[in-house]
Amino acid sequence: EVQLLESGGGLVQPGGSLRLSCAASGFTFSTYAMSWVRQAPGKGLEWVSSISGNDGNTNYADPVKARFSISRDNSQNTLFLQLNSLRAEDTAVYHCAKLSGTALTTSRVLSHWGQGTLVTVSS
Amino acid sequence: EIVLTQSPGTLSLSPGERATLSCRASQSVTSTYLAWYQQKPGQAPRLLIYGASSRATGIPDRFSGSGSGTDFTLTISRLEPEDFAVFYCQHYGNSRVTFGPGTKVDIK
Repeated sequence: EVQLLESGGGLVQPGGSLRLSCAASGFTFSTYAMSWVRQAPGKGLEWVSSISGNDGNTNYADPVKARFSISRDNSQNTLFLQLNSLRAEDTAVYHCAKLSGTALTTSRVLSHWGQGTLVTVSS
Repeated sequence: EIVLTQSPGTLSLSPGERATLSCRASQSVTSTYLAWYQQKPGQAPRLLIYGASSRATGIPDRFSGSGSGTDFTLTISRLEPEDFAVFYCQHYGNSRVTFGPGTKVDIK
């Protein structure tokens, strides 16, 4: 059974940083691309970033480009999201999700999702 | 950049009724890259439909997807109590993910 467990969320001041983690199990982690998707309170889903399974390719949504950084450790089956220069509008539940392919170009859907970790940006 | 629009914003129906949800893309998309998700309060989204019309593993056959080009539909043939939720369509293109704003199906 695929399991994705996020951690690392919390309360941070504007301009601060956080590092989110997503521990994956139940599948061969290195053979799947992964994504982060966020959901602001009471709002819809917003894609944040994706990373390929094993060649390091990444992609980012425009609102987070140059502030957030996605990475992964295939030896530890863990996905990361480094959040820098945080703003109030980054407040959201951050979900990690498994893409359906290995490469970003061959993926199509987010087949499995974690429950998410809440990031609150406030002074 | 593809923009997805969903209608209606809210659909109020009774258990046993048929639900028809619409997703419209700002330009023609390949059906292969169109999916639907269900999200219940406090839960993670769940993949329902991929490739516009293929049900994901474990999804009951009362859920069906159809459409092509710019117009796609999710149909729930007979609503069960556990089906009331928010439904999102999603497109994957240029290695980016786009979601529609969602349709809430609530109990009338």
